[in-house]
Amino acid sequence: AAGVIQSPRHLIKEKRETATLKCYPIPRHDTVYWYQQGPGQDPQFLISFYEKMQSDKGSIPDRFSAQQFSDYHSELNMSSLELGDSALYFCASSSPGRWGSEQETQYFGPGTRLLVL
Amino acid sequence: RKEVEQDPGPFNVPEGATVAFNCTYSNSASQSFFWYRQDCRKEPKLLMSVYSSGNEDGRFTAQLNRASQYISLLIRDSKLSDSATYLCVAASGGYNKLIFGAGTRLAVHP
Repeated sequence: AAGVIQSPRHLIKEKRETATLKCYPIPRHDTVYWYQQGPGQDPQFLISFYEKMQSDKGSIPDRFSAQQFSDYHSELNMSSLELGDSALYFCASSSPGRWGSEQETQYFGPGTRLLVL
Repeated sequence: RKEVEQDPGPFNVPEGATVAFNCTYSNSASQSFFWYRQDCRKEPKLLMSVYSSGNEDGRFTAQLNRASQYISLLIRDSKLSDSATYLCVAASGGYNKLIFGAGTRLAVHP
């Protein structure tokens, strides 16, 4: 079965540079979520999109922005990178369904490992 | 205080053992609960959803107690391949962002 695709898988940047992470959800999934997992930490919710509109926002820095496109893929844009941005960035997707149903389950991509030097 | 709390472990158990993980959540508005498994440097993978009074899937049983805001995961007949970090997760809100616990590390040894 098709899974969530993320690119690139690894990224090395220097401080103050910019980075763009891409996420391709499972086919027919219309909701995308971004999470950040720092070393030794649990994943923290950043932002989500439903039908190309931002649906929720978490602890996402103002230096970061994201959007979902007409084909449902999403991009996370990160500017003025800081050392503390080094982390695993996961994208997850879910399909439309009634609240509390199986369809709301989020499936995670393999992540993008970002290292800021 | 984290919204989802769980014992970080590690739990070191022999093959064949039964092990139980506990988790509490503080947001009474949380609607859905999950156990995810995460292997080192990999993505979280859904192990089980936990709805209403809980459910069972093979060697794994999850229980939910809404009154106590408590979730548990029981693993029977542990296998070496069960070694991983188990993340307790709560979801709330219309677009169900996931709130993760810090994870419980399990190490199964021969």
